[in-house]
Amino acid sequence: AQSVTQLGSHVSVSEGALVLLRCNYSSSVPPYLFWYVQYPNQGLQLLLKYTTGATLVKGINGFEAEFKKSETSFHLTKPSAHMSDAAEYFCAVSEASNFGNEKLTFGTGTRLTIIP
Amino acid sequence: GAGVSQSPSNKVTEKGKDVELRCDPISGHTALYWYRQSLGQGLEFLIYFQGNSAPDKSGLPSDRFSAERTGGSVSTLTIQRTQQEDSAVYLCASSRLLAGGRFTNTQYFGPGTRLTVL
Repeated sequence: AQSVTQLGSHVSVSEGALVLLRCNYSSSVPPYLFWYVQYPNQGLQLLLKYTTGATLVKGINGFEAEFKKSETSFHLTKPSAHMSDAAEYFCAVSEASNFGNEKLTFGTGTRLTIIP
Repeated sequence: GAGVSQSPSNKVTEKGKDVELRCDPISGHTALYWYRQSLGQGLEFLIYFQGNSAPDKSGLPSDRFSAERTGGSVSTLTIQRTQQEDSAVYLCASSRLLAGGRFTNTQYFGPGTRLTVL
């Protein structure tokens, strides 16, 4: 079974400061890892994903994440926070699969607040 | 192109009534997923459809929940005899199969249907 733990249900950072959202996963098979963002009253938008290859993944809006197998982590970072980054962020894992079901297991989410 | 669409965007119903929620996936996407987002349970998988294969229903919380996908495109999630604990946002997502039979791993989500059971 897979699981995802997001440390910190609420994170506040000042505008221009580093954003760090933590995600740890558990998976018995090689995982695919994702970060999604959800703005109020909207669906989920993919920020970035790791499947295979380079462990440092760059996504949209200046976000990036690094897959660290030894630490079972996939933390999300952005060097300089912007007011528009205020949203809820979800880390998710799915099992690497050909032809099959790639259902996502989500963490509980982290609400990011940006302080002007 | 058009994204995943869901209807209605909001649904208020009385306890015990049946409801139907609709999902239109992105054209050409063969995989379709339903998820539920609730305060108590977070985001959880409900059901998965892929082409003409038997769906994975392992996430459906009770036999009051069912879903179908007609013609490999539109999907309907039906909740019978709704209960207050069914109140949640129901999200649909789709993804496409690449040449060679691999999925893109990227699921595109619709805006969701907010269900309120009074």
